[in-house]
Parts: sequence; C-alpha cells; structure tokens
Amino acid sequence: AQKVTQAQTEISVVEKEDVTLDCVYETRDTTYYLFWYKQPPSGELVFLIRRNSFDEQNEISGRYSWNFQKSTSSFNFTITASQVVDSAVYFCALSGRDSNYQLIWGAGTKLIIKP
Amino acid sequence: KAGVTQTPRYLIKTRGQQVTLSCSPISGHRSVSWYQQTPGQGLQFLFEYFSETQRNKGNFPGRFSGRQFSNSRSEMNVSTLELGDSALYLCASSSMEGVTYEQYFGPGTRLTVT
Repeated sequence: AQKVTQAQTEISVVEKEDVTLDCVYETRDTTYYLFWYKQPPSGELVFLIRRNSFDEQNEISGRYSWNFQKSTSSFNFTITASQVVDSAVYFCALSGRDSNYQLIWGAGTKLIIKP
Repeated sequence: KAGVTQTPRYLIKTRGQQVTLSCSPISGHRSVSWYQQTPGQGLQFLFEYFSETQRNKGNFPGRFSGRQFSNSRSEMNVSTLELGDSALYLCASSSMEGVTYEQYFGPGTRLTVT
C-alpha cells in the first residue's frame, strides 16, 4: 500500500532563513504522482506542485524548490529566504494505481516563520 | 474566475442527525472531490465525482454519500451523525477526471457533532 511520511511535525525558523520540508513515500507503482499543497490558517489547501514518477528534474519556482529523488523515495521541498507569509501547514501527497488512484496524504508539517 | 465555494462554512449538529454539505466548483470544472480532515486521521479521501458519476470512493461507511448535478455542483450527505464525524470537510475541483491532477480547494465546512 502507498504511504507518505512527513516526519517533521513542526518547524520554526526566523524570517529569511532557508528551510527544507521532508517527504518520504512508499509505493509499488512505477507510475505515480507526487504533490505538495499548502494550508494557510484560513484552511483552504493551495496547490504548489505536481510531479510524475518519470520526471526527476528538480523544479524551482521563485523562492520554492523541489528535489525529487526516486533512489531514496523522497520529494523534499525547500523555501529559500523564508517570509512570515510562508507560515502554514504543508502537505505532501501521493497517488497511483496502488492507492486506486486516491490521494494519500502525509500528516503535514507545520511551518512557523518568526519575524 | 470565482474559486471553489462551500456552504455552509460552519455547522453544529447533534448525534443521530443528518447533514448535507454543498460545493460549487470553479466554472468549467467537472471533477469534484471530497476530503475529510481531522486532527487524528489527517486528510482522507471521501469520493470523487465527474460528470455526475461517482468515479472513486474512499474507505468510509455508507453513511457518507454524495452526488453531483448537471451543473457540476456537488453535495455530500452524512446520515446518522456520530461524534467522530466532527471534522473539516473540504471540497476540491479539477478540470480533469481523477485526483492525479491539480485540484483547487474550497475553504471547507467545519462540522461539529455534539
């Protein structure tokens, strides 16, 4: 069965520091999809990125970057020069045939950026 | 473009009652998925509707049901409420069938069962 582990329950950093959120997944599929979503205090989940298993290229979007490594089954998310507005809960999720194409979510990492 | 809207935003019900939650997707989106979020179980997939048909269902009892209308609006119903049904219920829409694509979430309905 598919599983997503976000071992960091809560991370607290001072503004402008870089921070990496870890995501480790388990699946028997060769084709699968990985996601990161952000949930600010308002509660509305916001899509950040989608990655399929055949695309191991790292991606950068402004201050956000993602490192996908199939060899270690990890899909880590880094925020560079963090800002207070980055404070939120971040979820990693996985979908594939092994989960009957349902989204399997990690427990989330609460990120606190202090001014 | 208007985002995903959910009504009501907050709801308090008593054990044994039933409840209906509503979700209006982004215009043009035909896929609507529902999720339950609780502190204990985290985010869990309930079901997905596409073009008025249930395409996928999570591991929830039959008390949880849903439907989708021809305008893509969706409703979720929970019958015989239990205390454990207290949760944030999130609805998401997508232009493509299935949850393996980018989804846009609504603000959620906070259900409290007493």
